[in-house]
Amino acid sequence: AQSVTQLDSQVPVFEEAPVELRCNYSSSVSVYLFWYVQYPNQGLQLLLKYLSGSTLVKGINGFEAEFNKSQTSFHLRKPSVHISDTAEYFCAVSGVGYGQNFVFGPGTRLSVLP
Amino acid sequence: NAGVTQTPKFQVLKTGQSMTLQCAQDMNHNSMYWYRQDPGMGLRLIYYSASEGTTDKGEVPNGYNVSRLNKREFSLRLESAAPSQTSVYFCASSYFRQGTEAFFGQGTRLTVV
Repeated sequence: AQSVTQLDSQVPVFEEAPVELRCNYSSSVSVYLFWYVQYPNQGLQLLLKYLSGSTLVKGINGFEAEFNKSQTSFHLRKPSVHISDTAEYFCAVSGVGYGQNFVFGPGTRLSVLP
Repeated sequence: NAGVTQTPKFQVLKTGQSMTLQCAQDMNHNSMYWYRQDPGMGLRLIYYSASEGTTDKGEVPNGYNVSRLNKREFSLRLESAAPSQTSVYFCASSYFRQGTEAFFGQGTRLTVV
């Protein structure tokens, strides 16, 4: 079974500042990793995913994430945030060899302040 | 291209009433899922259907039933609604191929009074 921890439930940051949203996972098997974004009153949309290969993954809207197997982490970063990045961000995993079930973290609410 | 469509978007039920949440996808995906979203708990899997004709329980199946009507449609039924089922419900779909992402509907906000 897999589990996901997002230690920061809320992250306030000023516009144009950098941000890092942390994600750690636990799994007895190899995993695929995903970051989703949820804007208010909307569904979730994929920001980026890690399957294999390069540990630095680039996604939409200028976000990137780095997979660190030894630390079982997949932190999301953006060098300069905009007001429009205000949303909730979810980290998710699916276990290799365990079908397509996704396990989600509790989410981090990013608030970008002017 | 509609993607994943959920109906209704909002619903208020009285305790003990029943209702069915509808979900349809037009992406020819094999797998479909129902999640509930509660504050501070992320998304929790209620039921999923890996392929047409199969359904399996997820993390929180109690109080729910599902039907995979065909490849496109996957419905979630609450037989006797309880206040603990007040939540936002999301339907999602994906290809049955590991490493592919799930695509989500817009959600159904359900309140049980």
